Amino acid sequence: AQRVTQPEKLLSVFKGAPVELKCNYSYSGSPELFWYVQYSRQRLQLLLRHISRESIKGFTADLNKGETSFHLKKPFAQEEDSAMYYCALSAGNQFYFGTGTSLTVIP
Amino acid sequence: GAVVSQHPSWVICKSGTSVKIECRSLDFQATTMFWYRQFPKQSLMLMATSNEGSKATYEQGVEKDKFLINHASLTLSTLTVTSAHPEDSSFYICSARLNSYNSPLHFGNGTRLTVT
Repeated sequence: AQRVTQPEKLLSVFKGAPVELKCNYSYSGSPELFWYVQYSRQRLQLLLRHISRESIKGFTADLNKGETSFHLKKPFAQEEDSAMYYCALSAGNQFYFGTGTSLTVIP
Repeated sequence: GAVVSQHPSWVICKSGTSVKIECRSLDFQATTMFWYRQFPKQSLMLMATSNEGSKATYEQGVEKDKFLINHASLTLSTLTVTSAHPEDSSFYICSARLNSYNSPLHFGNGTRLTVT
């Protein structure tokens, strides 16, 4: 069963515009959710996790248990935000990734 | 902290030969390491979960005799692609996590394997 769904494979926004990358999950317990980012030619790196409730590089993500969502948001997109973003769910020893969203910020 | 080193970064080998890829957690101990395969412009495909001191858990469709995983210590896991074929050419990525519940994954830089 698909645990993590990222409905948008590609997303383009203009510089300065708000951006939202969607993530929905399916898990009956209490999952831990993460957003990972992969910039061009770089390794995957942790962007943020829901438990820390912090803003990284202007990005925030709120866990909505009612909607089982963990959307990633940024009010003003920058060109350097162009990257591949993966939503991930940790359930005990298992880690599940979404299929990723490629974000392009148009100058 | 939490650095994962993967070696080699790229390798070219001939069909029929075997290639070993190493994944090391440099500054932490990792009971569990994960091996992924990534196709161009596509998501990560989990191949197997490597558990220190025990057999790896392979995902459906991944041949365990072809992709041998050894996790002999808390800081090292290896993936050996045996009798490699051109279709095994891909980007292989390892990741490790701290030994705490629901801790995040930390990724290696990946290994680009090309089988000629």
